[in-house]
Amino acid sequence: GQQVMQIPQYQHVQEGEDFTTYCNSSTTLSNIQWYKQRPGGHPVFLIQLVKSGEVKKQKRLTFQFGEAKKNSSLHITATQTTDVGTYFCAGLTSGTYKYIFGTGTRLKVLA
Amino acid sequence: NAGVTQTPKFQVLKTGQSMTLQCAQDMNHNSMYWYRQDPGMGLRLIYYSASEGTTDKGEVPNGYNVSRLNKREFSLRLESAAPSQTSVYFCASTLSGRTEAFFGQGTRLTVV
Repeated sequence: GQQVMQIPQYQHVQEGEDFTTYCNSSTTLSNIQWYKQRPGGHPVFLIQLVKSGEVKKQKRLTFQFGEAKKNSSLHITATQTTDVGTYFCAGLTSGTYKYIFGTGTRLKVLA
Repeated sequence: NAGVTQTPKFQVLKTGQSMTLQCAQDMNHNSMYWYRQDPGMGLRLIYYSASEGTTDKGEVPNGYNVSRLNKREFSLRLESAAPSQTSVYFCASTLSGRTEAFFGQGTRLTVV
């Protein structure tokens, strides 16, 4: 079945450093979403990418969808302590309503 | 506007007991989902309902049943709880299945 892997599993950075998490799907995706989950909280939607090669920015966050629509990345510039949490990608395969979540990357930011 | 509401927030069960996790959304969404979250495993889809009257298996459906009671409510039932079902359960809903998902606060279930 469809699998979505994320790397790294954990990342500790000093405040101000950059951070990137990568998402790779075993199948071609129709779209991909990114979520953030704060410790003890629930996932909160960040963004959705639909087009091949699409790049979207939200302030310090940059999201990319690969040309083959099988991978994606989230890059945070100059991390802040408020960025702490687990970042998940979620992929949707064409013709289904099943969003399959990646394993997540837990980000810790050291002040 | 409450969004997605899950009950209960915490539950301890003994092995073999049954229980139903309730989920309701007030956003007039068509699609609803149940996920479980275990350390290092991310969110795994148990069951989903693309629209009222339909339900389908996700990645890990064994040991669970669901009911889409109406457009608002989607319940998850554990008929005979096992320690392997100890997890945090999240319900989510989307307008169309291709839009952003809104999650409930989660139910932390422990089976002893």
